[in-house]
Formats: sequence, structure tokens, C-alpha cells
Amino acid sequence: DIQMTQSPSSLSASVRDRVTITCRASQSINTYLNWYQHKPGKAPNLLIYGAANVQSGVPSRFSGSGSGTDFTLTISSLQLEDCATYYCQQTYTGTPYTFGQGTTLEIK
Amino acid sequence: QVQLQESGPGLVKPSETLSLTCTVSGDSVSHNHWSWIRQSPEKGLTWIGYIYKTGTTKYNPSLESRVTISVDTSKNQLSLKLTSATAADTAVYYCVKSSRSRFDPWGQGTLVTVSS
Repeated sequence: DIQMTQSPSSLSASVRDRVTITCRASQSINTYLNWYQHKPGKAPNLLIYGAANVQSGVPSRFSGSGSGTDFTLTISSLQLEDCATYYCQQTYTGTPYTFGQGTTLEIK
Repeated sequence: QVQLQESGPGLVKPSETLSLTCTVSGDSVSHNHWSWIRQSPEKGLTWIGYIYKTGTTKYNPSLESRVTISVDTSKNQLSLKLTSATAADTAVYYCVKSSRSRFDPWGQGTLVTVSS
């Protein structure tokens, strides 16, 4: 299986900060990479698909980049409602889809 | 707007079969891929498998020998069956529309505990 490693595991930032979360795949996955936001008691929410495409309805402060094995999720100006756990997921064809372990984002 | 709602027993005895149903509204289970995913503190998020166009299935090899995913088009539901349940299967189970590699939307999830 393709292993997905996120860093950091947790972080604390202030409103209006720029925040970056990274995700590394154990082998190349082209751009088959999604990002999700998960708040307690709610359904996970797709933010980014195909590494860099923002899902409809997602605020423009969220962006994604990368290809191959290294990917980033960036929040350009952190808001209070962005407090959540963020997961990356690879959907490379022919392999079991796997997720990163998650990054918990706290607002200072 | 597509909505998914999982349902089923919250408690399953060890060695028994874990059975869940997902009711879909706003879309047809006859189209697209539909996945089951589970989340536990120990293993994080695990993709269990998907079903496509009511027949084709693909499962995570780690669970393949115990899993069956099917759909009931008359009720617009998908189901998950996991045989020989153990404590390691205790998790929150989600059904998800998984079309074109985009997993969206997700159901709210349902907690299943495997315990005697």
C-alpha cells in the first residue's frame, strides 16, 4: 500500500496567519491527491481534489499544490472556523486508497 | 444536493457479522462509485471498498476476505457486511460518494462497537 505521511501532526496558529500542511507519499501518485477537513461530530468535507483543484463551495483561502510524492495544503489567511483536523488521501489507480494520519489545527 | 445517512446496530458481538445500510438521497446508487470508509483512533481512516454501477466492486485487500458491499436500487441504498467481527473493527463507519476519485459528500458516520 502507498503510505501517506502528513506533517506536522498538530499546529497552533493565529487568525489571519498563513498555514501550510504537507503530505508525502511513499511512491509517486501523480496528482491523485485529495484534502479533507473534518470537524468533530460532522462529516468530513472535501476541500481539494486532484492536488490543486478547489472543490465547489470551498473558500478561496484554501489551495493545494504538488505532484509526484510531495503535496501541500495552504490556508492563506486563517479564520476561526478553520479549526479542524485535515487529512490527505491518495487515489492512485490500482491501489487501495489510503489516508494520512491527520493534522489537527488549533486557533490560538 | 446529495445526502447520505448510515444506519445499523451500534453494538456487534465478536465473531458476528457487522451490517450497515446507507440511504442515499439526491442521487441514484445505480450511477457513480459509492464507498465505505471507517475511522478508528488506532488506525485512522481506512478505505474499505467501493461498488460501481450496482455490480462491480473493489475492496481493500486487508479486508477483502470478510467484506461485501452491495446496493438495493429499489430503496436507493448501499450496504456493508463485514463478517467475523473483532474488536479491531470497532470504528466510525462512513458511506461516501466516490466519483472520479473525489470522495464527496460523506455521511455523518455511525459508530459500531464490537464487544460481548
